[in-house]
Formats: sequence, structure tokens, C-alpha cells
Amino acid sequence: AQKITQTQPGMFVQEKEAVTLDCTYDTSDPSYGLFWYKQPSSGEMIFLIYQGSYDQQNATEGRYSLNFQKARKSANLVISASQLGDSAMYFCAMREGGSQGNLIFGKGTKLSVKP
Amino acid sequence: DSGVTQTPKHLITATGQRVTLRCSPRSGDLSVYWYQQSLDQGLQFLIQYYNGEERAKGNILERFSAQQFPDLHSELNLSSLELGDSALYFCASSPRGGAYGYTFGSGTRLTVV
Repeated sequence: AQKITQTQPGMFVQEKEAVTLDCTYDTSDPSYGLFWYKQPSSGEMIFLIYQGSYDQQNATEGRYSLNFQKARKSANLVISASQLGDSAMYFCAMREGGSQGNLIFGKGTKLSVKP
Repeated sequence: DSGVTQTPKHLITATGQRVTLRCSPRSGDLSVYWYQQSLDQGLQFLIQYYNGEERAKGNILERFSAQQFPDLHSELNLSSLELGDSALYFCASSPRGGAYGYTFGSGTRLTVV
């Protein structure tokens, strides 16, 4: 079974609008971390935002926020006020097994921002 | 510059050959992780080292091996290369003590012809 599921292979959003990228996860470990990374066409992996399983509040980083619904095991990324430079692949990832555990990635969502 | 340095950026080699990919982690980071990104498999975890010791293994082929040296840089060795090994290989590092950051290098794009 997949541990990280991203059901949207591709999405379009109009510039300046908000967009939500979906991510669900599966784990029985009570301690885990959830991450979102951006991969532009140049290929580098850029860390966006992190949510710990015990965090009470949803994480926010500038225009990025993470809608964390623990009971539903979802960790959706919300990008507000989309910009053309947001066009990229977005990957959701989970870390199990403690703070030094490896990341398990979803298959990604390709976001295209239209002018 | 993320602070994680990977060399070379691009590598083209023939089937059956052996290559070595190098990674220098961010200063102070003890853990190094290797990932393979291919079109069909996505991002796959290969192996992790922590302060010179192998910590975890993922979907790493027997033809592949890695090590982390006393200065904490790491090398990923790929041998008997096949066309299907063509991929983007990432190294990532994370700090001691469990901070949540995983910083990725810019990757090595390997093309096997």
C-alpha cells in the first residue's frame, strides 16, 4: 500500500488565485513528520513547509500553509495568491521512525499557473 | 546554494561501466540520504548514513553501494550500469538532534547509453 498518495497528477490555477494540492498518508507510527517540496523544471528540490504529528496548529510559511487533518490522515498544501514562478512539481513526503528517519515521497502534482 | 554539494552535475556513461557520485552535506549535518528519481519509479530512498555508519536501507540494488567518510562526505557507487539506471540522483542531509530540515543537493543527472 502506498504510504503517501497524491491524487492530482496535474493542476491548473489562475495567477493570483489560491490552490490546494492534496496529500493523504498512511502510518501507524504516532510520531511522524509531513513535508512539502517544490521541484521546478531546473530539478532542484526546495523545502516548503513541515508539519509534525503532534503539532496542534497548522503550519504556515509565507504564502504556503498546510491543512493538517490528522484523523483523516491528510496534509494538503495551500498556496495563496499563486504566482507564475509557482509552476513546478510539488511533492508531499512523510518521515516515520524518529527524527533521523528517511523521507517517503508521493508521486507528485504538477502545478501550472496561468497568467 | 542549499549547502549540500553534489558532483558531478551531469554524467554520461556506457552500459556496464561504474561511476561514483559524491555528496558533501551541509556543515554540521551528520545524516546523509541518497535518493533516486526516475520517471517510472518517482523518488525512491536508497540509503542513509549517520556519522559514518549505515543507518537505513531502501530500494538500493546490490550493484549500488555507498559510504560516508570521517569528514562526513558521502559517495554512491553504481556499477554494472544498465540503461534503467538513468535517473536523477539526489543527496540530502539533515542535522543532528532531530531538527526537521532535510536539505537536498542539486542532484547528479546520470545518463547510461
